[in-house]
Amino acid sequence: GEDVEQSLFLSVREGDSSVINCTYTDSSSTYLYWYKQEPGAGLQLLTYIFSNMDMKQDQRLTVLLNKKDKHLSLRIADTQTGDSAIYFCAEDRPGGYQKVTFGIGTKLQVIP
Amino acid sequence: DSGVTQTPKHLITATGQRVTLRCSPRSGDLSVYWYQQSLDQGLQFLIQYYNGEERAKGNILERFSAQQFPDLHSELNLSSLELGDSALYFCASSVRGGDTGELFFGEGSRLTVL
Repeated sequence: GEDVEQSLFLSVREGDSSVINCTYTDSSSTYLYWYKQEPGAGLQLLTYIFSNMDMKQDQRLTVLLNKKDKHLSLRIADTQTGDSAIYFCAEDRPGGYQKVTFGIGTKLQVIP
Repeated sequence: DSGVTQTPKHLITATGQRVTLRCSPRSGDLSVYWYQQSLDQGLQFLIQYYNGEERAKGNILERFSAQQFPDLHSELNLSSLELGDSALYFCASSVRGGDTGELFFGEGSRLTVL
């Protein structure tokens, strides 16, 4: 299928860890991305992982990739109220030109 | 500021009308993408242009069309508008062959069809 799937909503308490999950469709995808959309703004690349990696850590963010299950996750440590946003998983399908397919987005609500 | 400019930011129009949304990509970016974001369907890929040519097509309705001009700006034309076309329309740009394939998004054009 064409869909990148994510849950719609996640609520966590400030200071806890957040884990946002995603399943993608194309095992030949080169890059997998997490984009963040703050209220009233466009999407902004948060982090990405190359398909030959299992894990990538960037400060409070940890991306885990399970290629066998086509599962991608984003862990945010010590979640802050400023992390409240919609998080989009996306895959970049090969073929000479980019065609990035996005999930529906997971709305993260951080409770103070 | 992503460097991608979209106009207008907000647009209210009536069913049956036609509108044009405009996008100026980041300086040097050859690829332009259009996405539609609605509450029930998330972010839907519409169409991609590279250096003036159409390169990929997604869930774009026949009532919609787009083009990329020699100066690399792009326009998305929406005609015979229906209530269901109300959405946020994003333009994004990227550098072909860039290391990570990062897309840079504009702030969107919010279309309301009454």
